[in-house]
Amino acid sequence: QKEVEQNSGPLSVPEGAIASLNCTYSDRGSQSFFWYRQYSGKSPELIMSIYSNGDKEDGRFTAQLNKASQYVSLLIRDSQPSDSATYLCAFRNEKLTFGTGTRLTIIP
Amino acid sequence: SQTIHQWPATLVQPVGSPLSLECTVEGTSNPNLYWYRQAAGRGLQLLFYSVGIGQISSEVPQNLSASRPQDRQFILSSKKLLLSDSGFYLCAWSGAGTSGGAVFGTDTQYFGPGTRLTVL
Repeated sequence: QKEVEQNSGPLSVPEGAIASLNCTYSDRGSQSFFWYRQYSGKSPELIMSIYSNGDKEDGRFTAQLNKASQYVSLLIRDSQPSDSATYLCAFRNEKLTFGTGTRLTIIP
Repeated sequence: SQTIHQWPATLVQPVGSPLSLECTVEGTSNPNLYWYRQAAGRGLQLLFYSVGIGQISSEVPQNLSASRPQDRQFILSSKKLLLSDSGFYLCAWSGAGTSGGAVFGTDTQYFGPGTRLTVL
């Protein structure tokens, strides 16, 4: 079983719609969870971190964590073409483990 | 604010040649430092991490090595490159500290701009 599972996509979403990205993890001891955005040819940049069950909102982004079900999701509201990128989820127990990413394309 | 630099940005090297990639961090002291590799279409693979000068932990045995000669400098090296060493090399830092004894300290890691290495 992979430590982190993400749908590789591509996920296509119309401009202005909500993009929903999901990630499941296997390590129940994980304490911290992160979403990074990576544009093609660039390095990952942190979007959000979440530590407690529930939702955490930051602008157009909402992270959702459910430790009992071992999943974390990222919602992007009012999707913009500039949101087109690969989104990496990561979780930390003793080290940071990354998923392989979901490629998101926002269609104008 | 903190800034992380990597150079060179791109590198093309022949098989069997040596390698030296450099990473420096500004605006923080005693950071935890990391080297990752991202192969084409694959996830981030942690190669090395360091919690202090001269302290290096290796995650994956291979022909690469790392050194930390100064607090905010992290170097990735190889004596002889292989074709499989091609990839996108990323340096990252996180704040120093401890949490339940975990050596990675504070949580959030921030990445440098990366070095794209092609071995021919």
